[in-house]
Amino acid sequence: AAGVIQSPRHLIKEKRETATLKCYPIPRHDTVYWYQQGPGQDPQFLISFYEKMQSDKGSIPDRFSAQQFSDYHSELNMSSLELGDSALYFCASSFGGTPALSGANVLTFGAGSRLTVL
Amino acid sequence: DAKTTQPNSMESNEEEPVHLPCNHSTISGTDYIHWYRQLPSQGPEYVIHGLTSNVNNRMASLAIAEDRKSSTLILHRATLRDAAVYYCILRPNAYSGAGSYQLTFGKGTKLSVIP
Repeated sequence: AAGVIQSPRHLIKEKRETATLKCYPIPRHDTVYWYQQGPGQDPQFLISFYEKMQSDKGSIPDRFSAQQFSDYHSELNMSSLELGDSALYFCASSFGGTPALSGANVLTFGAGSRLTVL
Repeated sequence: DAKTTQPNSMESNEEEPVHLPCNHSTISGTDYIHWYRQLPSQGPEYVIHGLTSNVNNRMASLAIAEDRKSSTLILHRATLRDAAVYYCILRPNAYSGAGSYQLTFGKGTKLSVIP
């Protein structure tokens, strides 16, 4: 079965540079989530999109932005990179379904993109 | 958001059953109880979820207390591949219609499996 595809898997950048991570959700999934996981930390929610509109926002820095495109893939853009941005970035997708049952929706996560800022 | 409390770590012998507890005393009536796990250097992986009744799937069983203030994830025979951090997460319905709410990961339980 198709999974959530993330690219690139590894990325090395210098401070103050920009980086773009891409996420391709499972076909027919309409909701995409982005998470950041620092070394030894638990995954922290950044932002999510439902039907190409931002649906929820977490602890995403102002230097970061994201969008979901017409084909439902999503991109996370990170500018003015800092050393503290070095982390694993996970994308997940789900099918939004009906609001009354959405609590039962299951997220499928990608393998992650490892960003190293030097 | 309703919070969950889990032990920081647990150990199990290989091929023994494992019971991972989770307390969620502030759970609301429409919160689903989800369990995810994260193996080292991998993305989180769905394990099981339930609302009120106990649930079984090929990976595990979920036992939910009658008052829903606690639940237990049961791995029937732990294998070395089950060594991971297990997260118990409450997930509400998105009545606003904005798709699904995000999962909020807490501290989780690090399960070690001893050969």
